[in-house]
Amino acid sequence: ETGVTQTPRHLVMGMTNKKSLKCEQHLGHNAMYWYKQSAKKPLELMFVYSLEERVENNSVPSRFSPECPNSSHLFLHLHTLQPEDSALYLCASSQDVSYGYTFGSGTRLTVV
Amino acid sequence: KQEVTQIPAALSVPEGENLVLNCSFTDSAIYNLQWFRQDPGKGLTSLLLIQSSQREQTSGRLNASLDKSSGRSTLYIAASQPGDSATYLCAVRPDSGAGSYQLTFGKGTKLSVIP
Repeated sequence: ETGVTQTPRHLVMGMTNKKSLKCEQHLGHNAMYWYKQSAKKPLELMFVYSLEERVENNSVPSRFSPECPNSSHLFLHLHTLQPEDSALYLCASSQDVSYGYTFGSGTRLTVV
Repeated sequence: KQEVTQIPAALSVPEGENLVLNCSFTDSAIYNLQWFRQDPGKGLTSLLLIQSSQREQTSGRLNASLDKSSGRSTLYIAASQPGDSATYLCAVRPDSGAGSYQLTFGKGTKLSVIP
């Protein structure tokens, strides 16, 4: 494990389901991120939380809803997703801008 | 808007060969640049982080260089091994302002090392 743990590793959900992705880090970092990785596209930033406050939201559809209850945990709540939302969802954390990112292993999401 | 390009998109080399992966970025106002490795279906593993004031970083058989003014970075892999087979991603972080937390990624170079 890299220090950033994501669960579940795989998720298959119907378009009417509600599910949540979880991310946890115990590295003492003060920023956490959700990225989406689709086939043949660069990683896309979805949400950034710094000190538990959301600082960026790159126009992500409202069917994705983030939650950051404390500096160690980050959730991505999913509802009424579309098949095109199928992708690898990656969580990452960092400590300030001077340091690099640490990524989790990702959740492979399939929407059917 | 920052854009990151990685060339080539795919590379196949025989085992033992030295190789270079290229990364270019359009906006030189970066804070740092990070190289990652991604195995199929897995998350990203950080390889090297270069601050904007640095010219290069080394870790084992890997050496990354940065020429900030020309918007280029290279990742040099010495004596390649089959275990090096993966997709290598380059990402840059802006040096200030809103979005300074955000990394901009390239699409990656898929490396295959043939035994």
